[in-house]
Parts: sequence; C-alpha cells; structure tokens
Amino acid sequence: QKEVEQNSGPLSVPEGAIASLNCTYSDRGSQSFFWYRQYSGKSPELIMSIYSNGDKEDGRFTAQLNKASQYVSLLIRDSQPSDSATYLCAVRVERSQGNLIFGKGTKLSVKP
Amino acid sequence: EAGVAQSPRYKIIEKRQSVAFWCNPISGHATLYWYQQILGQGPKLLIQFQNNGVVDDSQLPKDRFSAERLKGVDSTLKIQPAKLEDSAVYLCASSLDPSGNTIYFGEGSWLTVV
Repeated sequence: QKEVEQNSGPLSVPEGAIASLNCTYSDRGSQSFFWYRQYSGKSPELIMSIYSNGDKEDGRFTAQLNKASQYVSLLIRDSQPSDSATYLCAVRVERSQGNLIFGKGTKLSVKP
Repeated sequence: EAGVAQSPRYKIIEKRQSVAFWCNPISGHATLYWYQQILGQGPKLLIQFQNNGVVDDSQLPKDRFSAERLKGVDSTLKIQPAKLEDSAVYLCASSLDPSGNTIYFGEGSWLTVV
C-alpha cells in the first residue's frame, strides 16, 4: 500500500463548479497534512495545511481531514480556469523522520 | 524577499556523465531540502539539511548521488555517474522552521539523461 494515494485524474469541472480532490494515507500516526498546487512546468506551491479533524477554509479553498478514515480532501469552490493545475497531497509521516511524503497528484482541468 | 534560487535550470547529459546542481535557499532558512520529481510523480525527498548537518538522507542513492551544504547556506547536489532513470526535475526547497510546515520550492533543475 502506497503511503499517500491520490486519483491521478484528470479531473475536469466546468468553470464555477466545485472541484473535489481526494487523498488517502496509510500512516495512522500522521499529524500534518498539506495541499500543494503545481502548474505545468513550475514548482509546487503550498496552498493549504491542516492538522485537526474537520474543515479549514481559506477563501475558495476548503481542506477537510478525517483521521479515523485516514482521508484528507480539498474543495475548490467557484472553480476558475486559473485553478487548472496538478494538486499534490503531502503528509508528514512520523516514521520517516517527520518528512513529507507526496502523492502523485491529481490533475485538475477547469473548462471555461 | 528573494525565493529559492537554483541553477542550471536545464541540463542534458549522456548516461555515465556527471552533473551538479546548485541551490541558494531563502535568506535565513536553516533547513534545506533536495527533492527528485520524476514526470507524473510527486516529489521524493533525497536529502534534508539543518544548517550544514544532514538530517535525513535515507532515500539518497549514495552510490551515485552526493550533496553538501558546507557553510550552512548554499548547497550542491551531484550525480556521478548518471543513469537514464535519473531524468527528473531536481527541486531545492527551504524552510525557516525545522518542522518544515511551510516549505518554499525553487523553480527546479530539469535533467535529461540520454
């Protein structure tokens, strides 16, 4: 079982819709979770971090964490074409000296 | 504030040749990371430095990869000899706090091994 799993997509949503990106992880001891956005040919950029169960909202972005289900998600409301990118889920895995383990990423395409 | 600087941005080499990548982190960031990102994959940590000491190099292929951060600022990642499977983007990143909860990535050094 891979440590951090994401559906690679592509996920295609129309402009203005809600995009839902999902991530599961295997290490039950993980405490820190991150979403990075990576535009094609560019480096990853941190957009959200979440440490507690529940929802965390920042503008059009909402991160959701359910540690019991080992599941973290990212919702993007009112999706814009500029949101088209690959979204990487990253988990701090304590047994790996606390380093970040990244998923493969989900490619999101927002159609005008 | 200047970001993480990397060079060269692009490099094409033949297999069995050597290559070196340079990174200058954000000023004041004590923690420096080198990640390898193969096309279609997420970044994979190769090595983490705290100042000039190695915190984690468990995933660094030490028979061919080496990295140093001699004065606790700039860092160099070297590959010798290169293999075809080393074709990837090498991302340098830095963070202010050791927890690494906020990591800033450089633009990356794209390596193609032919």
